[in-house]
Amino acid sequence: DAGITQSPRHKVTETGTPVTLRCHQTENHRYMYWYRQDPGHGLRLIHYSYGVKDTDKGEVSDGYSVSRSKTEDFLLTLESATSSQTSVYFCAISVWAGGTDTQYFGPGTRLTVL
Amino acid sequence: GENVEQHPSTLSVQEGDSAVIKCTYSDSASNYFPWYKQELGKRPQLIIDIRSNVGEKKDQRIAVTLNKTAKHFSLHITETQPEDSAVYFCAASKNRGSNSGYALNFGKGTSLLVTP
Repeated sequence: DAGITQSPRHKVTETGTPVTLRCHQTENHRYMYWYRQDPGHGLRLIHYSYGVKDTDKGEVSDGYSVSRSKTEDFLLTLESATSSQTSVYFCAISVWAGGTDTQYFGPGTRLTVL
Repeated sequence: GENVEQHPSTLSVQEGDSAVIKCTYSDSASNYFPWYKQELGKRPQLIIDIRSNVGEKKDQRIAVTLNKTAKHFSLHITETQPEDSAVYFCAASKNRGSNSGYALNFGKGTSLLVTP
C-alpha cells in the first residue's frame, strides 16, 4: 500500500460546513496528489504538491484548497462543502524507484455532502 | 489539456476468453501510460504501465500495446478468470521519469465482468 493512509475514511457533512481530509505517508516521497472519483468521470486531479509548502492546481480545483506543512501530510480542505463535492477522494504519491516514477493510491475517503 | 477516451465502458467475457480495452489520447507529448485495476470499494492498483519508447510490454496474462502514431494504447488480458472482474482505468501523462512528479489524466473506466 506504499505507506499511504487517509482519514477519515467516511464522512457525512452538511452543505456549507468546512471539511478537511488528511493524507499521510510514511516514506518521505516528494510528490503527493489529490484526486476525486465520480461515476462516469474516472479520476480527476484536484491539487498536487511537489514539496513542503509547494502546491499547484489540477483540473478540478475550484472549491478546494490544500496545504502541506510537513513532508508526510497533505491536507485537502473544502471551505464550504456543496452537494457537488460528494465524491470519493483519493490521495496518491509518486514513488521513484529503479528508474521508474510510479503513482500509488491511498485507500480513499468517501464524502457525502447533504 | 490531455483528453483520454476509453472503450468499451462495459465488457463481459467468459472465463478463459481474452479481453481487450482500448484508449486514445490527444496530447502527443504524453509519454507514460499506466493501467489501474479497481475492485469494488478499493483503491486503484497499478497493474502494468508502458513508456513511449516501448511498443509492447507483457506481464504474465496481461499485456499493453502502444501506437504512438495513432495515439492509442490497449490492455490485453488473456485466459481471463473471475478474479479479473473489476473496473480498469487507463491513463496518460507527461512523465519525465526523473522523480519530477506528473499528473495522470484518466479515461472513464471499463467495467469488466468475467463469468464462469
